[in-house]
Amino acid sequence: KAGVTQTPRYLIKTRGQQVTLSCSPISGHRSVSWYQQTPGQGLQFLFEYFSETQRNKGNFPGRFSGRQFSNSRSEMNVSTLELGDSALYLCASSWSGGGEKLFFGSGTQLSVL
Amino acid sequence: GQQLNQSPQSMFIQEGEDVSMNCTSSSIFNTWLWYKQEPGEGPVLLIALYKAGELTSNGRLTAQFGITRKDSFLNISASIPSDVGIYFCAGLASGGSNYKLTFGKGTLLTVNP
Repeated sequence: KAGVTQTPRYLIKTRGQQVTLSCSPISGHRSVSWYQQTPGQGLQFLFEYFSETQRNKGNFPGRFSGRQFSNSRSEMNVSTLELGDSALYLCASSWSGGGEKLFFGSGTQLSVL
Repeated sequence: GQQLNQSPQSMFIQEGEDVSMNCTSSSIFNTWLWYKQEPGEGPVLLIALYKAGELTSNGRLTAQFGITRKDSFLNISASIPSDVGIYFCAGLASGGSNYKLTFGKGTLLTVNP
């Protein structure tokens, strides 16, 4: 069974640009969550999608958005990038999201210059 | 918001030694999860705990869900070099649609062969 796949693996952008990250969950998983990981703040929850609907949202500004498609694949978008957005962005999937185990992808390392 | 205090922040041990780390919270959690993250990869689930007092093993790893539901412990016995990585605890406050994991800041484990 293939794991969670995130693309691209690495990304370099400049301030003010926008970026879109992609996540393909494990087959059959309908819940996709996104996390931002930085050395200082650790893993912080961005949002969670289930059946194309955002069910939960963390405390991030509106520049961070996401969506989920009918095949459960998900994308997250960050607009007007800031230096502080440099981080490892992790996607995780689970069957229903209701307290179940999360399976993480390898992440997208975003560097904002 | 909810916070998890994970300790120690880092450990440097000799191969063959046992390791203990823990997480505490001011809030009650219904689920505790322990993850390991290696460089360049996303966190990998090690153990999931669903009931207060539960003790679960996965090979040389043993984790416990504290009776108060505000803490959890992870022990690694007879450490080996491949145990190197960052270990994270994560707690879930409620199930169903209110799904958001809170992560500890991690314990960096270094094993000296």
